[in-house]
Amino acid sequence: GENVEQHPSTLSVQEGDSAVIKCTYSDSASNYFPWYKQELGKRPQLIIDIRSNVGEKKDQRIAVTLNKTAKHFSLHITETQPEDSAVYFCAASIGSNYQLIWGAGTKLIIKP
Amino acid sequence: KAGVTQTPRYLIKTRGQQVTLSCSPISGHRSVSWYQQTPGQGLQFLFEYFSETQRNKGNFPGRFSGRQFSNSRSEMNVSTLELGDSALYLCASSVRLDNEQFFGPGTRLTVL
Repeated sequence: GENVEQHPSTLSVQEGDSAVIKCTYSDSASNYFPWYKQELGKRPQLIIDIRSNVGEKKDQRIAVTLNKTAKHFSLHITETQPEDSAVYFCAASIGSNYQLIWGAGTKLIIKP
Repeated sequence: KAGVTQTPRYLIKTRGQQVTLSCSPISGHRSVSWYQQTPGQGLQFLFEYFSETQRNKGNFPGRFSGRQFSNSRSEMNVSTLELGDSALYLCASSVRLDNEQFFGPGTRLTVL
């Protein structure tokens, strides 16, 4: 079946440094790629998403890049802050009903 | 507008029992998705309902079922509970799946 691989599973970075999380998907027809952030004890929240007709999207310190040829997309967080500590999930849509296939999550730890 | 609500928030059941969880989506949202979340297992997609029809389904056994009512409220039922069903069950609503999903606070189910 279709799957999404997410790496790394845990990422520890120094405050102020950049963090990059990468996801690889299997369905070449996928066209919607959201990223969700889940802080400890809270519900997941969308932080950014991208569609297949766009190669990159930015929102302040967060950016997502999409490489359709290689079938991977990445989340980039610059100037990391303590509040960026959370689990990040990527997902890719499959099928005409946009069912989302989710990555396993990346725990991002920001070291002071 | 009011967010996604789920009831009950906590539930303790014993093996073999059945349970029904409820989710009220954001007004105007016709898509409701259900997820199972266990520590270290990420978000496991159960199913998605849109306008009272199940459109997408994850890889869970038939003991897990759901339905959606005409007002978009959704219920999830788990029959013949097993210890492994202990988890946080999240529902999320959206206008459609390729738009932002808004998650509820979850129902924490413990099976003894």
